[in-house]
Amino acid sequence: QSALTQPASVSGSPGQSITISCTGTSSDVGGYNYVSWYQQYPDKAPKLLIYEVTNRPSGVSDRFSGSKSGNTASLTISGLQAEDEADYYCSSYTTTNIGVFGTGTKVTV
Amino acid sequence: EVQLVESGGGLVKPGGSLRLSCAASGFTFNSYTMTWVRQAPGKGLEWVSSISSSTNYIYYADSVKGRFTITRDNAKKSLYLQMNSLRAEDTAVYYCARLKYDTRHFDYWGQGTLVTVSS
Repeated sequence: QSALTQPASVSGSPGQSITISCTGTSSDVGGYNYVSWYQQYPDKAPKLLIYEVTNRPSGVSDRFSGSKSGNTASLTISGLQAEDEADYYCSSYTTTNIGVFGTGTKVTV
Repeated sequence: EVQLVESGGGLVKPGGSLRLSCAASGFTFNSYTMTWVRQAPGKGLEWVSSISSSTNYIYYADSVKGRFTITRDNAKKSLYLQMNSLRAEDTAVYYCARLKYDTRHFDYWGQGTLVTVSS
């Protein structure tokens, strides 16, 4: 149950696009299309952004998009805004039936 | 409106016990798998334990197996986490989260309750 690997930090200017990677193994990210992404502000609960790799819940901005290639999933934030400054976590189902989160990425705008 | 409200956190000495509760409302509680997720201060999220809607399936992270017990009371729409033999490394905010089992994602989270293990 090792955590999925994310970059510790990613930064960008307003209006730019950034991509956060999430690398696992064939036992988690690569083996299932059950990758989800969460946004977390300081001292707040995480909020769902993306599920099943590419799906956005209603109410989530279409500036957020997800993809996957092999054992690596990615979250792209387009048209970066000040309010996007937060921590981001990926998560995946695993063969052990218990899920695993990524190490987390701090986005700075 | 879906609401998840955790309670029961606090300060406990190493080796001690604590029971967390999560009160659910706004949805059909007995239809969902529920999960505890924790976050140590300044650290990332960690999946702790999950329990299926009818309690047929229960899973634990290796880090808590044998020490923590997850249960639920569908009549009371409540989720519990009994934590025994607590260690300093169990210090964290504990979140209750609703798991969409068909797509393996958490669509609703509680606000969290802080557990501090310290002498």
